[in-house]
Amino acid sequence: DQQVKQNSPSLSVQEGRISILNCDYTNSMFDYFLWYKKYPAEGPTFLISISSIKDKNEDGRFTVFLNKSAKHLSLHIVPSQPGDSAVYFCAATRMGFKTIFGAGTRLFVKA
Amino acid sequence: NAGVTQTPKFQVLKTGQSMTLQCAQDMNHNSMYWYRQDPGMGLRLIYYSASEGTTDKGEVPNGYNVSRLNKREFSLRLESAAPSQTSVYFCASSESYRTATSYGYTFGSGTRLTVV
Repeated sequence: DQQVKQNSPSLSVQEGRISILNCDYTNSMFDYFLWYKKYPAEGPTFLISISSIKDKNEDGRFTVFLNKSAKHLSLHIVPSQPGDSAVYFCAATRMGFKTIFGAGTRLFVKA
Repeated sequence: NAGVTQTPKFQVLKTGQSMTLQCAQDMNHNSMYWYRQDPGMGLRLIYYSASEGTTDKGEVPNGYNVSRLNKREFSLRLESAAPSQTSVYFCASSESYRTATSYGYTFGSGTRLTVV
């Protein structure tokens, strides 16, 4: 039973437009949510996180939104750049133990 | 600026063979983790070590053992490899399991293992 789900395997966006990556979770005990980016043949790289007591966190072009009642979070990238093309993993954790990852969404940003 | 170093990068094993995947970090991190990545499954936690001297099971520990050799090194051992263990293995570290909530993990570049 997947506790963290990314239902879109891939997403294609035009350069300069907004990319929205979605993630759903089932365990209401998670207290932190994170996004990672992964390029081929490299390990994932941490992007941004959000605490369950917040509904928004921004870092430059990246914003994460959390809707606790819907058990849903999303990552917005504005504006999207070709270098953003990668696989994005949503992850969730309770107190930092046993971080659970989603299956990933492959983002293509077209120039 | 090595970060997390994994060796080897590639390995082919025959069913039943054993091997150890090595991982070392130079960031003075306390917590270390082993994940496997399979298509359509994301990353799944195999074992973790919250601090030197402790190890605990993750989501998919069967068929694996780990050793936290010292603060820097955390190895993963396959005693009798099976085709189901064909995967990409990632080692990661964080200053502590607490700081991982806000700052995430630092991952190595992975070991691609094929069991035939």
